[in-house]
Amino acid sequence: DAKTTQPPSMDCAEGRAANLPCNHSTISGNEYVYWYRQIHSQGPQYIIHGLKNNETNEMASLIITEDRKSSTLILPHATLRDTAVYYCSRYNQGGKLIFGQGTELSVKP
Amino acid sequence: NAGVTQTPKFQVLKTGQSMTLQCAQDMNHEYMSWYRQDPGMGLRLIHYSVGAGITDQGEVPNGYNVSRSTTEDFPLRLLSAAPSQTSVYFCASNRGRTGELFFGEGSRLTVL
Repeated sequence: DAKTTQPPSMDCAEGRAANLPCNHSTISGNEYVYWYRQIHSQGPQYIIHGLKNNETNEMASLIITEDRKSSTLILPHATLRDTAVYYCSRYNQGGKLIFGQGTELSVKP
Repeated sequence: NAGVTQTPKFQVLKTGQSMTLQCAQDMNHEYMSWYRQDPGMGLRLIHYSVGAGITDQGEVPNGYNVSRSTTEDFPLRLLSAAPSQTSVYFCASNRGRTGELFFGEGSRLTVL
């Protein structure tokens, strides 16, 4: 199955780190892990991606396990504006980006 | 740049009617995709294209046709709409080697 697996929902306190897990145990060697978020009913927005190594950008960090079977998206200091649905997805550079079911993150004051 | 533009934003159809959802991008991206989003189902890939004249099926292609005659446009056709096609449809584009997709604002379709 090319899908990823994520918990359906999570809560996080404002100002704390939000750690969103994703299982992709069947990922192929040439597939990248991509994370997106969707606020309300807008189109999804790209956050970060990685292949093997951990990655960091201005929005988030991505930790990929050594066996590549799972990853964690980290929002270091969650704000109320980070409340959204976060999608973990797989991309093989052949044009197919396959989304998981997503995690609905609620950041609470 | 306008990015990815979808039209119409809202549409109501009767069962059996046909229609085309339009998608245009002005970023000169090689790849384009169509997704549908249903409650609790996340986003599912319908069809995608890696260049003009080249299309391929995604996860849920039945009931939909696509063509890619230009780099800029990627229309999605429903030949005979069914209530099961009630959904929000998103078009996206990206440069081929990267999975950083740029999405349109979505088209909400209701089939009665």
